[in-house]
Amino acid sequence: GQQLNQSPQSMFIQEGEDVSMNCTSSSIFNTWLWYKQDPGEGPVLLIALYKAGELTSNGRLTAQFGITRKDSFLNISASIPSDVGIYFCAGRSSGGSNYKLTFGKGTLLTVNP
Amino acid sequence: DVKVTQSSRYLVKRTGEKVFLECVQDMDHENMFWYRQDPGLGLRLIYFSYDVKMKEKGDIPEGYSVSREKKERFSLILESASTNQTSMYLCASNTGGGNQPQHFGDGTRLSIL
Repeated sequence: GQQLNQSPQSMFIQEGEDVSMNCTSSSIFNTWLWYKQDPGEGPVLLIALYKAGELTSNGRLTAQFGITRKDSFLNISASIPSDVGIYFCAGRSSGGSNYKLTFGKGTLLTVNP
Repeated sequence: DVKVTQSSRYLVKRTGEKVFLECVQDMDHENMFWYRQDPGLGLRLIYFSYDVKMKEKGDIPEGYSVSREKKERFSLILESASTNQTSMYLCASNTGGGNQPQHFGDGTRLSIL
């Protein structure tokens, strides 16, 4: 089945630093989504991307849909302690079911105050 | 805001029991999904439904069944619970042909003893 490679698996940073994480796929995707999951909670949608090259911001978060349609990245600027959590990418492949998402395995972010 | 509500946050059951996990969404979404989330494996789709009384198998349907009698409610059933079904279960919903982002509930952490 489809696979998404998300990296890094984990990050330990100091408060105020910028963060970057990415997802790559072996096949073309027509939708990229980024979610954040706090401990004991469900994933919450951060940003949705629908077009190759699209760059979208949500506060300190910026995500881009790669030109090749096989990758996406998420940047967090000036991190704060409440950014701690697991960040997931998810995508919908162009040749797959309209309903099914493929998920990355997540990036665990720790922010030291 | 979309609200996806899972009936229990924590549940402990015994091997062999029949277990029901309930999910309700309040946004009149056509599509509903059940995932399980395990460390190192990410989110895996168990079943989904794109209409009342309609269901389709996801990637790991074995040992599970689902019921969608009303549009707002999607139930996951463990016919005879086993210890390897101990996991975090997440319900999600979205609208339209599936291109819209999925919105998640807070999850049910199920332990099978």
